[in-house]
Amino acid sequence: GESVGLHLPTLSVQEGDNSIINCAYSNSASDYFIWYKQESGKGPQFIIDIRSNMDKRQGQRVTVLLNKTVKHLSLQIAATQPGDSAVYFCAERDDTLTFGKGTMLLVSP
Amino acid sequence: EPEVTQTPSHQVTQMGQEVILRCVPISNHLYFYWYRQILGQKVEFLVSFYNNEISEKSEIFDDQFSVERPDGSNFTLKIRSTKLEDSAMYFCASSVQAGGEQFFGPGTRLTVL
Repeated sequence: GESVGLHLPTLSVQEGDNSIINCAYSNSASDYFIWYKQESGKGPQFIIDIRSNMDKRQGQRVTVLLNKTVKHLSLQIAATQPGDSAVYFCAERDDTLTFGKGTMLLVSP
Repeated sequence: EPEVTQTPSHQVTQMGQEVILRCVPISNHLYFYWYRQILGQKVEFLVSFYNNEISEKSEIFDDQFSVERPDGSNFTLKIRSTKLEDSAMYFCASSVQAGGEQFFGPGTRLTVL
């Protein structure tokens, strides 16, 4: 769920596991959604996007699912690797991008 | 691979001083953006810029903030009189088209003392 201040929700997984990171968005007018990865000390990096006329999109090792009924977005990472450790956040676009607070993914070897 | 660059990587300033954060967007991109991220918080939109004009701005982007594209390569964010609460990471981004994928720079950490 949402966190306040310095505390981010954290998902800890073992290398090779599948990871699922969830995001709730607020604006039903948003027509485009993006998942970003942010490693420590770096800027957000685009992972995958999905338009509101789709409910699923697959990339390399990643899948995004969109449920417009409940305004929910998820990112699935298959065969998670230590290099996937980062903060992941979703963003929704109406006129501008609005970002969620993020989930920290920790992958243990 | 082309990338967005930002300088400096870390800027320390005294409260009330002016700072200019610099960005070099990807060369064929036409849309430019500034975001900020207070430590531990979410990334927040500040402003978007196209064709030498501000396209959109958030409530955060008040009269203390301004943006400029002084030449064909740089895109700057100026904070006229910094406040303690301006301390944050500031990210520049650019995209080829409106609503297109935005590529982010590595950020400038601004610390206001």
